[in-house]
Amino acid sequence: DIQTTQSPSSVSAFVGDRVTITCRTSQSIGSHLNWYQKKPGKAPSLLISMASSLQSGAPSRFSGSGSGTDFTLTIRSLQPEDCATYYCQQGYDTPWTFGQGTRVEIK
Amino acid sequence: EAQLLESGGGLVQPGGSLRLSCTASGFPFSRYAMSWVRQAPGKGLELVSGNSASGDRRSYAESVKGRFTISRDNFKNTQYLQMNSLRAEDTAVYYCARGDCSGGRCYSGFDIWGQGTVVTVSS
Repeated sequence: DIQTTQSPSSVSAFVGDRVTITCRTSQSIGSHLNWYQKKPGKAPSLLISMASSLQSGAPSRFSGSGSGTDFTLTIRSLQPEDCATYYCQQGYDTPWTFGQGTRVEIK
Repeated sequence: EAQLLESGGGLVQPGGSLRLSCTASGFPFSRYAMSWVRQAPGKGLELVSGNSASGDRRSYAESVKGRFTISRDNFKNTQYLQMNSLRAEDTAVYYCARGDCSGGRCYSGFDIWGQGTVVTVSS
């Protein structure tokens, strides 16, 4: 199975700060990398697919980049409603594994 | 509007069985791969099992191989997860999710999710 590793496990930042989360896979997956936002008591929500394609309805302050084995999710200007846990997921080969998550908090 | 609705969760004793269902509406179910994703209390998301649109390519997390079976009925717009030999560590919220995947590769993320159904394994 492809291993998917995120860092950091948690991040605390001020409103308006730029936040960056990284995801690394154990083998090259091209651009088959997705990012999700998960809030307590709610289903996950797809933010970005295929490494950089922003989902309809997702705020434009979210962006994704990368290819091969190294990927990044960036929140350009952190907002209070962005407090959540973020997960990457590889879609290159089954099983479509998730990273362990990054919890984003407001200072 | 595309929707997924899970059912079948509940309390079961260790070693017991449970079958989850996920009924789809608002989109052509037979054209999409479907998956089950779970989140145990205090833990992250785990892909439990995935199934191709036709139902002929299935995958499982190592933690459930040999115990869980995924299936689908494209005439009933429903997918299933048969869970046998349940363990305490299978306690989680189980989500059903839709993906645009073929040949084992996904060309978008899981864009539609159900609300989740709770499975508790305890004596």
